[in-house]
Amino acid sequence: EAEVAQSPRYKITEKSQAVAFWCDPISGHATLYWYRQILGQGPELLVQFQDESVVDDSQLPKDRFSAERLKGVDSTLKIQPAELGDSAMYLCASSPGTRGAYEQYFGPGTRLTVT
Amino acid sequence: KNEVEQSPQNLTAQEGEFITINCSYSVGISALHWLQQHPGGGIVSLFMLSSGKKKHGRLIATINIQEKHSSLHITASHPRDSAVYICAGSTSGTYKYIFGTGTRLKVLA
Repeated sequence: EAEVAQSPRYKITEKSQAVAFWCDPISGHATLYWYRQILGQGPELLVQFQDESVVDDSQLPKDRFSAERLKGVDSTLKIQPAELGDSAMYLCASSPGTRGAYEQYFGPGTRLTVT
Repeated sequence: KNEVEQSPQNLTAQEGEFITINCSYSVGISALHWLQQHPGGGIVSLFMLSSGKKKHGRLIATINIQEKHSSLHITASHPRDSAVYICAGSTSGTYKYIFGTGTRLKVLA
């Protein structure tokens, strides 16, 4: 069964360092999402891509976060510089993105700890 | 404004009990999703509903479109069912989820 892949699964970094996360969606899925989930809270959408275009990045802290999906397939989320408050689970999800087919499939997540 | 409300926030049950988690949603939401997240884990999609009822193993999800209400039932609960259950609404055309606050379920052996 096709799955969303994410790496790394765990990352520990010092504050002010740069960190990057990678996501490979299910093949053929046009829509890709990055979420941040702080412990005990629900997921917060950071950025949504439709193919290679950003559809929504209204909640992305653009002074330190960036996201790209250059060829409309896999995606990278970067934080530079990391802050203590960025410690969270970063989840990637993908969806077929076609009319009527919008169920999202989630990856295992990357747990980030900033020290 | 599209909203999803979920109850209860926390639930403790004994193994074997029948469990119900409720979700109410606002106008504009066209499908309702039930998700499961084990501690420290990723999110797994359990059901997507726009009408009626779905069943998978011991899990049953129902939706009442007129009342804008959905329920997730777990029959013969087991400690491995301990997880956070999240309902999320999606709106046609935007492909976005609106998440409920989650229900933290603990099933005791």
